[in-house]
Amino acid sequence: GIQVEQSPPDLILQEGANSTLRCNFSDSVNNLQWFHQNPWGQLINLFYIPSGTKQNGRLSATTVATERYSLLYISSSQTTDSGVYFCAVERGSYIPTFGRGTSLIVHP
Amino acid sequence: NAGVTQTPKFQVLKTGQSMTLQCAQDMNHEYMSWYRQDPGMGLRLIHYSVGAGITDQGEVPNGYNVSRSTTEDFPLRLLSAAPSQTSVYFCASSRTPGPQETQYFGPGTRLLVL
Repeated sequence: GIQVEQSPPDLILQEGANSTLRCNFSDSVNNLQWFHQNPWGQLINLFYIPSGTKQNGRLSATTVATERYSLLYISSSQTTDSGVYFCAVERGSYIPTFGRGTSLIVHP
Repeated sequence: NAGVTQTPKFQVLKTGQSMTLQCAQDMNHEYMSWYRQDPGMGLRLIHYSVGAGITDQGEVPNGYNVSRSTTEDFPLRLLSAAPSQTSVYFCASSRTPGPQETQYFGPGTRLLVL
């Protein structure tokens, strides 16, 4: 099956810093999503981004499908950005493959 | 509007016991799904449903059963619990199937099988 690798596995920032999270995948995909899981376990959708660039406030994402990677940018990080960020890819079925995530801690 | 609710929040079972994890949504969503999350891992899809009366297997369906008799409810049944089923279980729903739709997740059920 398709492999999804996320980097870095762990990231520690001071509030106000910027960061880039990466998601590499081993084969062509139809769909890619980014998710955030807060420290209390709640999961939310951030982006559906099979290709191109999207922005939502301080977060933006870019997927280069031909080169099999996606990037999640967090600007001016806040403590509420802490948690684990997952990317998930899917190849036309309803069954996504998740990466292991990047754990982010933002210190005040 | 409660969104996606899951009960119980936490459960301890002995090997061989059966139980049902409940999931309900009040958004009239067609698509519902169950995931498990093991420590240090992403989510893995167990079963999903694209509408009442329609269910299908995900990546890791063995040991689990589901049914979808109403739009609102999507229970997950563990037939004979095993320690390998110790995990956190998340239910999710979306308006229609497909990753372009925003998925709404429940708060999770933490299951420990002894």
